[in-house]
Amino acid sequence: GAVVSQHPSWVICKSGTSVKIECRSLDFQATTMFWYRQFPKQSLMLMATSNEGSKATYEQGVEKDKFLINHASLTLSTLTVTSAHPEDSSFYICSAPRQNSDTQYFGPGTRLTVL
Amino acid sequence: GEDVEQSLFLSVREGDSSVINCTYTDSSSTYLYWYKQEPGAGLQLLTYIFSNMDMKQDQRLTVLLNKKDKHLSLRIADTQTGDSAIYFCAESMGGGGNKLTFGTGTQLKVEL
Repeated sequence: GAVVSQHPSWVICKSGTSVKIECRSLDFQATTMFWYRQFPKQSLMLMATSNEGSKATYEQGVEKDKFLINHASLTLSTLTVTSAHPEDSSFYICSAPRQNSDTQYFGPGTRLTVL
Repeated sequence: GEDVEQSLFLSVREGDSSVINCTYTDSSSTYLYWYKQEPGAGLQLLTYIFSNMDMKQDQRLTVLLNKKDKHLSLRIADTQTGDSAIYFCAESMGGGGNKLTFGTGTQLKVEL
């Protein structure tokens, strides 16, 4: 079946630094990928839709200059949290739909802790 | 906007059936999903149903959809300790290429 990977699985960084998270579709091409954020004991909230070859579409209230998204190829999307602060600490999950599929395949998530 | 609600917590005994409920507000939802999340992990798709269906059964899982009331449920038969997790319903207005709106999540605890 389809597999989506994320790297790193967890990261701890100092406040003010930038962190890049990768999302890869391993055995299919994805022109679209989705980035979600999940705070402890809460649901997943969509942050943005990553589009290969064009700009990402951000949900209301998500700062595009803080959460930079680059869909570099048909199998890779990256999310960069710039100038991270403790309130950015969260679980970040990506997903990718296979073309003509009814479902999305989720990555295992990246736990970001900002000190 | 869309709003998807679930009860927060459900506790059942091993071997009993579990029923997890979900209500949504967007009548244009065409796909409704159930996902399972274990601690510190990503989401595992359990099953999904099209909005023109009333029921779908897949082994121990039964999904019921009441479109009129915008109510979705997931029944797990013969619940096992390995079923302990958080369960999310989600809806979208199209197929896999469309964004998902997730419910608040239900933590299922299975006791011996």
